[in-house]
Amino acid sequence: QVQLQESGPGLVKPSETLSLTCTVSGASVSSGNFYWSWIRQPAGEGLEWIGRIHTSGTTNYNPSLKSRVTISADMSKNHLSLKLTSVTAADTAVYYCARETSNCFDSWGQGTLVTVSS
Amino acid sequence: EIVMTQSPATLSVSPGERVTLSCRASQSISSNLAWYQQKPGQAPGLLIFGASTRATGIPARFSGSGSGTEFTLTISSLQSEDFAVYYCQQYDTWLMYTFGQGTKLEIK
Repeated sequence: QVQLQESGPGLVKPSETLSLTCTVSGASVSSGNFYWSWIRQPAGEGLEWIGRIHTSGTTNYNPSLKSRVTISADMSKNHLSLKLTSVTAADTAVYYCARETSNCFDSWGQGTLVTVSS
Repeated sequence: EIVMTQSPATLSVSPGERVTLSCRASQSISSNLAWYQQKPGQAPGLLIFGASTRATGIPARFSGSGSGTEFTLTISSLQSEDFAVYYCQQYDTWLMYTFGQGTKLEIK
């Protein structure tokens, strides 16, 4: 059974870089034909797909965030990373990592709240 | 970008009732649609993919239908644990997944 756990700072200052990690167990981030995605959800709002990385290392990003986002995978630690630069209050949200199977998200982490504030 | 529109935003229903939620795509997405259920404080969970295929472990009271631009999620007899927010997601364009804004099922 795949398990995902997000971690990282809960508070980030405006204009700085948001950095999160997703630790994966029960599966490898570097093998199999899977994509691993980051998705976010502002409080009381809907879901926004941020981007994904394939086990081969190929990445795809939401065009609206592409200029600020980097998703990477660390095979040695079996975890994913999300970096979002130049954050503003609009980036305040719960951030989820999820495994993608056949273009759907079948396993999710519990999410981590990131607040952008000075 | 394909815009997904869900209706209604909120639905007040009683346990045991049958309920139908709607999701409309701004352009045809064939059957490339998934439904998720999200309870307060939890991550979403996959219910339906391919517009009508239940995910592993999902009870038969959940069913999905539709293709093209119009989709529905039906819960045949609402149980107490079904009161939650439901989201649809399109994956016709894999370069950009989008979700609907959600429908909240609340107890009447």
